Amino acid sequence: AQSVSQHNHHVILSEAASLELGCNYSYGGTVNLFWYVQYPGQHLQLLLKYFSGDPLVKGIKGFEAEFIKSKFSFNLRKPSVQWSDTAEYFCAVNALDRDDMRFGAGTRLTVKP
Amino acid sequence: GAGVSQSPRYKVTKRGQDVALRCDPISGHVSLYWYRQALGQGPEFLTYFNYEAQQDKSGLPNDRFSAERPEGSISTLTIQRTEQRDSAMYRCASSPGRANEKLFFGSGTQLSVL
Repeated sequence: AQSVSQHNHHVILSEAASLELGCNYSYGGTVNLFWYVQYPGQHLQLLLKYFSGDPLVKGIKGFEAEFIKSKFSFNLRKPSVQWSDTAEYFCAVNALDRDDMRFGAGTRLTVKP
Repeated sequence: GAGVSQSPRYKVTKRGQDVALRCDPISGHVSLYWYRQALGQGPEFLTYFNYEAQQDKSGLPNDRFSAERPEGSISTLTIQRTEQRDSAMYRCASSPGRANEKLFFGSGTQLSVL
């Protein structure tokens, strides 16, 4: 089964700082890639997804992620974070020959005002 | 319904008791997934259904865990003879089609086994 690794457990940034959260997966076949976000007190919701085509995908709230196939990576970026971005971020992978979705352990982002 | 509904929201039980966790997916959603999430961890896949068929149960930790979705809508995750290590947030998600579409998550059931 595919597995997902997120490198940072907790990231603390000041407002306006740039963000990059790492995500690597291990699976040799074709995959769909996702970032989900969980704001405090809320349930998981989709931030962005990659299926095919342009490896740079844009999501909601100014987030983007780049799929680098050779590195098995799908890092999440945002040029300038806001206090409201404080949340937990989960990378997820779906292998096309399977119907399940595997999640990473998550990265907690704290943005200081 | 408007979203994925899970009940109960919180469940406290004594070790050795059986518990049943309910998930009511978004109406018309074909796929339904169960995940378990321990504190500080990501959602851990347990099992999923396509309509009423359980397609993959490889993530169920042991035979004390079972799930059903008899009519292709509401699903129940049952844990028999609960143990303290079963304490976690149990999350249900549904999808209109397959997993390579967007998953819609419920608020989860927080299970505490004393």
